[in-house]
Amino acid sequence: KQEVTQIPAALSVPEGENLVLNCSFTDSAIYNLQWFRQDPGKGLTSLLLIQSSQREQTSGRLNASLDKSSGRSTLYIAASQPGDSATYLCAVRDGGFKTIFGAGTRLFVKA
Amino acid sequence: ETGVTQSPTHLIKTRGQQVTLRCSSQSGHNTVSWYQQALGQGPQFIFQYYREEENGRGNFPPRFSGLQFPNYSSELNVNALELDDSALYLCASSQELQGNYGYTFGSGTRLTVV
Repeated sequence: KQEVTQIPAALSVPEGENLVLNCSFTDSAIYNLQWFRQDPGKGLTSLLLIQSSQREQTSGRLNASLDKSSGRSTLYIAASQPGDSATYLCAVRDGGFKTIFGAGTRLFVKA
Repeated sequence: ETGVTQSPTHLIKTRGQQVTLRCSSQSGHNTVSWYQQALGQGPQFIFQYYREEENGRGNFPPRFSGLQFPNYSSELNVNALELDDSALYLCASSQELQGNYGYTFGSGTRLTVV
């Protein structure tokens, strides 16, 4: 059974810092891994999608890596801004029909 | 290209009642999945629909049921509502059943059961 864990559960950093969010999964047989952002009480906004054959994806200040063999992914945020404050969710699409989510990392960037 | 739209945005129901939530998938997407997200937790998979058939189901009781229509829109029905059903219900669409495409989510329906 696929399980997804995100560390840390919460993070508070000053504006301008570079930071790394971690995601681990137990079964390496995945189709893809997707990082989402969620603002309080809102839906999910897709940030980056990494296919199982890829090692990383980049979009602006965001970079996500995937190491299938070790069951890990990281989301790197460069030069953090107060507008980056949100919950970041990692989701793994396994060989079946499901996408399994972690519980998320709550990020607060202080101005 | 339109995104995923969900209605209503908020809903308050009484324990024991029934509720129907609606979702219009993104243009070009033929697969719809429903998720329940309790406060402070990640979304939990309820079920998925592909070409009007339920394709898979998570650990939810039969009182959670759904439909998908020929235009790929979908409904989530919950009977005999319980207080623990209070949550954000999210709909996600994707381009194909087992492809390498990611999900696009709607903004969700916030259900409160009192």
